[in-house]
Amino acid sequence: DTEVTQTPKHLVMGMTNKKSLKCEQHMGHRAMYWYKQKAKKPPELMFVYSYEKLSINESVPSRFSPECPNSSLLNLHLHALQPEDSALYLCASSQVGDPYGYTFGSGTRLTVV
Amino acid sequence: EDQVTQSPEALRLQEGESSSLNCSYTVSGLRGLFWYRQDPGKGPEFLFTLYSAGEEKEKERLKATLTKKESFLHITAPKPEDSATYLCAVNNFNKFYFGSGTKLNVKP
Repeated sequence: DTEVTQTPKHLVMGMTNKKSLKCEQHMGHRAMYWYKQKAKKPPELMFVYSYEKLSINESVPSRFSPECPNSSLLNLHLHALQPEDSALYLCASSQVGDPYGYTFGSGTRLTVV
Repeated sequence: EDQVTQSPEALRLQEGESSSLNCSYTVSGLRGLFWYRQDPGKGPEFLFTLYSAGEEKEKERLKATLTKKESFLHITAPKPEDSATYLCAVNNFNKFYFGSGTKLNVKP
């Protein structure tokens, strides 16, 4: 299995809702990442997990809460988002400390209304 | 400051018209340079990894080259299905720096 699977593919949520994005991989990668991508912009790093521990938080607002329950799963919990948080949220995985490229998921298209 | 710059921002080609995309970088401790293809609304799809100056990789109509300061993605005789945004990224330990991408449009 050489894929990173993200669910759901599309999500519309209100500003008072609580929702979660899920990411799963079975390649034995021990580094997992969340990226946010706005239209016509490159992906921007949000969080990095290494060996299921949060290693990088790029000053992301607390309304985004990551969780890595095991080596195959990565969640992003969303609460009280703003319309400007609407974007494509990408999950990726890789070997830790290895210069190989990431494997990206297809993303979740999030719209906050 | 670590930075990745891609040019041009957009490129329109006729089918069969070869061209090159540029990625220049100023990143300390470079561990690899990566090219990705991204279709609208999709995650980036890995194309190539280059590790050292002088290295070249090929895949179908694409060829990536690397110098100490930049990389080129050469597209030979492109087809409409090559239309996409091409992202360059450099790896510095556990962090990737992405360029803004080149949006390629190949007309039949």
